[in-house]
Amino acid sequence: EAGVTQSPTHLIKTRGQQATLRCSPISGHTSVYWYQQALGLGLQFLLWYDEGEERNRGNFPPRFSGRQFPNYSSELNVNALELEDSALYLCASSSGSGANVLTFGAGSRLTVL
Amino acid sequence: AQKITQTQPGMFVQEKEAVTLDCTYDTSDPSYGLFWYKQPSSGEMIFLIYQGSYDQQNATEGRYSLNFQKARKSANLVISASQLGDSAMYFCAMREDRGSTLGRLYFGRGTQLTVWP
Repeated sequence: EAGVTQSPTHLIKTRGQQATLRCSPISGHTSVYWYQQALGLGLQFLLWYDEGEERNRGNFPPRFSGRQFPNYSSELNVNALELEDSALYLCASSSGSGANVLTFGAGSRLTVL
Repeated sequence: AQKITQTQPGMFVQEKEAVTLDCTYDTSDPSYGLFWYKQPSSGEMIFLIYQGSYDQQNATEGRYSLNFQKARKSANLVISASQLGDSAMYFCAMREDRGSTLGRLYFGRGTQLTVWP
């Protein structure tokens, strides 16, 4: 069974640009979660999608947005990139909101220059 | 206030010995879940063990056990018979089963475990 896959593995952008990160959940999982792991800040919850809808959002500005597609894959978009957006972005999936365990992907490392 | 506190930035243990990684949590929600994840240098978060707030028994998964002390709000991870491959960052996390924070995991800052031969 394939795990959670994320692309790209690494992404380098400059300030003001937009970044798009992609996530494919485990087959059969309907919930996708995005977390930011920035140096010194730990893992911060970004977004939760379930059945195509945004269900919850962390304390991030609106320039962080995303969506979930009918096949349950997801995109995270970060507009107007700032230097402090440099981080590892982790995607996780679960088999719904009642599921206990989140399975994480290997992450996409975004570097903003 | 921090939802999850891990007070040990780094821990060292000799191979084959047991080690305890500390975690305390803060919630007023009667229903919650506690998790431990391992993050090797590759970056992927690997699920280790889960404990529900209403579970009577401490959770165990192979060499991992969770020492759940509800009154003290602690959820320490015990790794028995440490292996060199256990060297990684370990994160304690909590999920609250309330509407406003549903779906969100709160993570601690992590403990870097180093296993030496």
